Amino acid sequence: KAGVTQTPRYLIKTRGQQVTLSCSPISGHRSVSWYQQTPGQGLQFLFEYFSETQRNKGNFPGRFSGRQFSNSRSEMNVSTLELGDSALYLCASSNTNSPLHFGNGTRLTVT
Amino acid sequence: GQQLNQSPQSMFIQEGEDVSMNCTSSSIFNTWLWYKQDPGEGPVLLIALYKAGELTSNGRLTAQFGITRKDSFLNISASIPSDVGIYFCAGQDAGKSTFGDGTTLTVKP
Repeated sequence: KAGVTQTPRYLIKTRGQQVTLSCSPISGHRSVSWYQQTPGQGLQFLFEYFSETQRNKGNFPGRFSGRQFSNSRSEMNVSTLELGDSALYLCASSNTNSPLHFGNGTRLTVT
Repeated sequence: GQQLNQSPQSMFIQEGEDVSMNCTSSSIFNTWLWYKQDPGEGPVLLIALYKAGELTSNGRLTAQFGITRKDSFLNISASIPSDVGIYFCAGQDAGKSTFGDGTTLTVKP
């Protein structure tokens, strides 16, 4: 079974730009969650999507948004990038009440 | 919201030593999970615990789900160099996962 796939692996953007990250979940998994990981802040929950609907949301500003498609693939978008948005963005998929399975993340650098 | 306290924050040990780390919470969880993250990769699930008091092993790893459902520990026996990485605990309830801040393990050969 293929694991969670995130693209791209690395991204460099300039302040003020916007970015879209992609996540393909494990086949059959309907829930996709997004996390931001920075050295000092650990894993911070962004949001979770299930059946194309946002089911849970963390405490991030509205610049961070996401969506899920009918095939369970998900994208997250960050608009008006700030230097502090530099981080590893992790996507995880799961079935209901089962453990999260993570992808290898997208490393975003904002300059 | 729910928060997990994971300790220690970091550990430096000699190869062959045993390691113990734990997580505590002010809230009850129905599931406790332990993950390991290698540099440049996403966290990988090591052990999942589903019942209070449950003790589960995976090779040299042993984890327990606390009786109060508010804590869990992970032990690694006879550490080896490839055990280095960041270990995360996570509590899961109603489909939501809350992560600890991680324990960074360094193993000296």
